[in-house]
Amino acid sequence: GQQLNQSPQSMFIQEGEDVSMNCTSSSIFNTWLWYKQDPGEGPVLLIALYKAGELTSNGRLTAQFGITRKDSFLNISASIPSDVGIYFCAGRRYGGSQGNLIFGKGTKLSVKP
Amino acid sequence: NAGVTQTPKFQVLKTGQSMTLQCAQDMNHEYMSWYRQDPGMGLRLIHYSVGAGITDQGEVPNGYNVSRSTTEDFPLRLLSAAPSQTSVYFCASSYSGRETQYFGPGTRLLVL
Repeated sequence: GQQLNQSPQSMFIQEGEDVSMNCTSSSIFNTWLWYKQDPGEGPVLLIALYKAGELTSNGRLTAQFGITRKDSFLNISASIPSDVGIYFCAGRRYGGSQGNLIFGKGTKLSVKP
Repeated sequence: NAGVTQTPKFQVLKTGQSMTLQCAQDMNHEYMSWYRQDPGMGLRLIHYSVGAGITDQGEVPNGYNVSRSTTEDFPLRLLSAAPSQTSVYFCASSYSGRETQYFGPGTRLLVL
């Protein structure tokens, strides 16, 4: 089935560092979403993007809808310990089944020992 | 609002047993869906519903049944559990299929 390639799979952060992750698809999407999941919890929506080229911020988080409509990026500035968790991208294709979201496999953010 | 609620939080089943995972939302959302989350696989759509009385299959529907008799509830049924159905199950809802989805806390299922 359709897959999103999300990278990196995991990364270690040190407090204060900036973090970047991205998702790419072979299909064109009309919506990109970024979620964060804490252990034992359901995913929580961070940012939603609806137009190619759109750049949206939510506090220290900034996400962009790629101009090609096949990718999206999430940046976290000045990371803090509570940023630890798993970040998922999700996309909705043009012409796809109504509401059918496709999820990436996640980027696991951990604190450097 | 309680948002999206799921019960039970944990469940252990034996192979061949049946059970129903409950999902309810109090936000008057038309769209509801069920996902399973497995290590390294992300979230995969099992079934979804665009409104009461309407359901459709997602990416991995085999072994699961759903019904939508009310706007609020969207139960997921396992008729004959298999070890391959060991997973974490999430229910989600939104006003419409094009709006952002809100997830419940999940049900952790172990099939022995």
